[in-house]
This record gives sequence, structure tokens and C-alpha cells, in this order.
Amino acid sequence: AQSVTQLDSQVPVFEEAPVELRCNYSSSVSVYLFWYVQYPNQGLQLLLKYLSGSTLVKGINGFEAEFNKSQTSFHLRKPSVHISDTAEYFCAVSAPSGSARQLTFGSGTQLTVLP
Amino acid sequence: GAGVSQTPSNKVTEKGKYVELRCDPISGHTALYWYRQSLGQGPEFLIYFQGTGAADDSGLPNDRFFAVRPEGSVSTLKIQRTERGDSAVYLCASSLELGELFFGEGSRLTVL
Repeated sequence: AQSVTQLDSQVPVFEEAPVELRCNYSSSVSVYLFWYVQYPNQGLQLLLKYLSGSTLVKGINGFEAEFNKSQTSFHLRKPSVHISDTAEYFCAVSAPSGSARQLTFGSGTQLTVLP
Repeated sequence: GAGVSQTPSNKVTEKGKYVELRCDPISGHTALYWYRQSLGQGPEFLIYFQGTGAADDSGLPNDRFFAVRPEGSVSTLKIQRTERGDSAVYLCASSLELGELFFGEGSRLTVL
């Protein structure tokens, strides 16, 4: 079984400042890792994913994340945020095969970008 | 359609009533998932279909919850004898096998 911990439930940040949203996971098998964004009254949208290969993954809207196996982390970063980045961000994990293909989500981090 | 479609978008019902929530996945997607998202929480897995069969229903909370996908496309989540604790947003997602999950906008269920 896998689990995901998002350490910060709320992150306020000023516009054009950098941001890091933290995510740690636990799993007894190798994993795939994802970040999803949920804008108000919209469905979840994939930001980026790590399946294999390079540990630095680039996604949409200028976001990137780094897979750190030794620290079991997959933190999300953006060097300069915009007001439009205000949303709920979810880290998720899945197993590559077997019955655990469904995603296990963290509890989310609300990013609020302040003018 | 272009994306995953869920109906109704909002459903208000009384405790004890029966509810059906419908999901129309992206055409050609073989896998379909139901999740439940309570206020302030991340989505919680309920059930996963591969084709017509439920490949994993370990997330269904109890026997009041049931889901079907009779023709391998549209799926219906059925909740019997609804309780106030069932109030949540029910999310549907579809994917090609092992592929990215595409989510619908959800059906918000409120049980009074």
C-alpha cells in the first residue's frame, strides 16, 4: 500500500516569488508520482508526472518537481508565481503494475498567490 | 465528447433516498475510476473498472455503494439509503490502460 503526505495545508505567497509545495510518500514498491491542480469549480488537471528516467520533471505552467528516492519526496516548485496559480495542488502516487494502479492522493495544499 | 462528463453536477437529496451518479468517459478509454472527495481532503479511491468488470472495488465504503459499467463505456455509481456522511464530490476519471487519468468536474452530492 502507498500513502502520501503533503506537509502544508495552506501556502500563501506573494506574486512573482518562488514557491515550493512539499510532498512525501511511502511505498513498499517502486512508484509513479504525480502532481495535479484543481482550480475552483473545475476538475483535477495533471501538472506533471514522474514515471522513470530523469528525476527532474518539468510540467505545464512553469512548474517542475524533483523525485528524490532516498528522501521519498517529490516536491513541486515554481520560480515565480502568478495570481492565476492560486489553486489546490494534490500530490499522488500509484504503483506501476498490479491491482494498485489507482492513484492515492495527499490531502492537498492550497496555494494562494497574493498581489 | 472531448472530456469526461459527469451528471448531475449537483444533487441534493434527503437522508435514506437512493441516488445515481453518471460518468461518461473519454471515448476509447478502457479504464474508469470513481473517487470521492470530502471537503478539505484529497480524492479517495472507490472503484476501478477495466472494460466492463470491476478490477478493484476495495475502496467502496460499504454495501450501500455499488457501481456498474455494463457496456464498457458509461458508468453509474449507485448509493442506497443515503446518509449525511455520504455528502461529498464524486469524481470520475478515465484512462487508456496505464495512462494518465483524465478527471471530470465531479458530481456534488448533498444529503440533508
